[in-house]
This record gives sequence, C-alpha cells and structure tokens, in this order.
Amino acid sequence: AQSVTQLDSHVSVSEGTPVLLRCNYSSSYSPSLFWYVQHPNKGLQLLLKYTSAATLVKGINGFEAEFKKSETSFHLTKPSAHMSDAAEYFCVVSDEDTGRRALTFGSGTRLQVQP
Amino acid sequence: NAGVTQTPKFQVLKTGQSMTLQCAQDMNHEYMSWYRQDPGMGLRLIHYSVGAGITDQGEVPNGYNVSRSTTEDFPLRLLSAAPSQTSVYFCASSYSGSGYSNTGELFFGEGSRLTVL
Repeated sequence: AQSVTQLDSHVSVSEGTPVLLRCNYSSSYSPSLFWYVQHPNKGLQLLLKYTSAATLVKGINGFEAEFKKSETSFHLTKPSAHMSDAAEYFCVVSDEDTGRRALTFGSGTRLQVQP
Repeated sequence: NAGVTQTPKFQVLKTGQSMTLQCAQDMNHEYMSWYRQDPGMGLRLIHYSVGAGITDQGEVPNGYNVSRSTTEDFPLRLLSAAPSQTSVYFCASSYSGSGYSNTGELFFGEGSRLTVL
C-alpha cells in the first residue's frame, strides 16, 4: 500500500527567504509524485510532478522538488518566498501498478509568509 | 474555458436529508472523481469514474452514490446526510491515458462546502 507523510503541518518563513516543505512517501512500485497547492477557498492546482524522468523537477512559480529514491523523499523547495506563496501544499503519490485509480494525498502543509 | 464547475458552493442540511452535489467539466476528460477534504486529513477519494457508465468506490464511499451517464457530468448524491459528512467536497477530472491507470494532472473544481446539522 502506498502512503505519504508531510513532516510539517505548518511552516512559517519570511518573505525573500528559502522555502522547504518536506514529504516522505512509501510505495511498493515506482511511484509518480506530485505537489499541489491550494489557495484559500480555492481548488487544488498542480505545482509539479515526477514520473520517472529527471529526478529534479521544476514547477510553476519558481518551485522545484527532488526525487530521492534512497531517502523515499520528494521535498518541495523555492529559493525565495513571496507573499503570494502563502497557501496549503499537498504532496501526492500515485502507485502505477495498483491496477486501479489510486492517488494518496498527504495531510497538507500550511505555508505562512511573513512580510 | 470553464474547466470543472461545482454547484452549489455552500449548502446546509439537516440530518437525514438528501441532496446532490453537481460536477461538470468541459475538457472531455474521461476520468472524474470526488474527494472530501477534512482538516488535517488531506483529501480522501469517495468515488471515481473512468468513463460514462463506469464508476468505482474510493477510500470512503459509504453514504454516497454516484452515476456517470455522460462524459461531462458526475453528480455525487448524499442519501441520508449525517453530521460526519460535514466537509468540503472537491470534484476533479483528468485525461485518463489507459483504462484504470492515471498519473495525469488532476483539474479541480473550487469545492462545495457542506454542513450537516
């Protein structure tokens, strides 16, 4: 069975400082991994995805994530936080070999950006 | 381009009442799904469909019914509402590349906030 753990429920950074949102996953097979962002009272939007190509994945709005199989991690980073980055972020794993549709969402990390 | 449209955005029900949450997408996506979002629990899959006439249960299907008569629409029915169904519900769709497997991007509606008293 697949699972995903987001290690921090809340992260607070100052504007202009780096962002690190941590995600560990568990999967029986080669997973696909995603980060989604949810702004207040909105639906989720895809930030980036890893599907067994390059291990360093670049997404929208300057975010990137690195797939590390040895550490079963897929941490999300951004060099410099902007006020508009304040939102909730979800790490998601999809197990390709389950034979049925299965996306597993993490519990979310709320990012606060202080001026 | 409307994307995924959910109605209503807000609803208050009394215990035992029934209702239908509507979801429509205009992207000709084969795959559609319903999730519920509860604080600290991420999103949990209720039901999904890989095409018209095909539906299947997700992680938390009890108390909900779905049908898929057209590619565009995927309504979620609450048969007899309970306070435990107070939640934010999201409909999401995706191009399904092959049968039951799908690792493509999900497109989400803006959510339907349901309160059951």
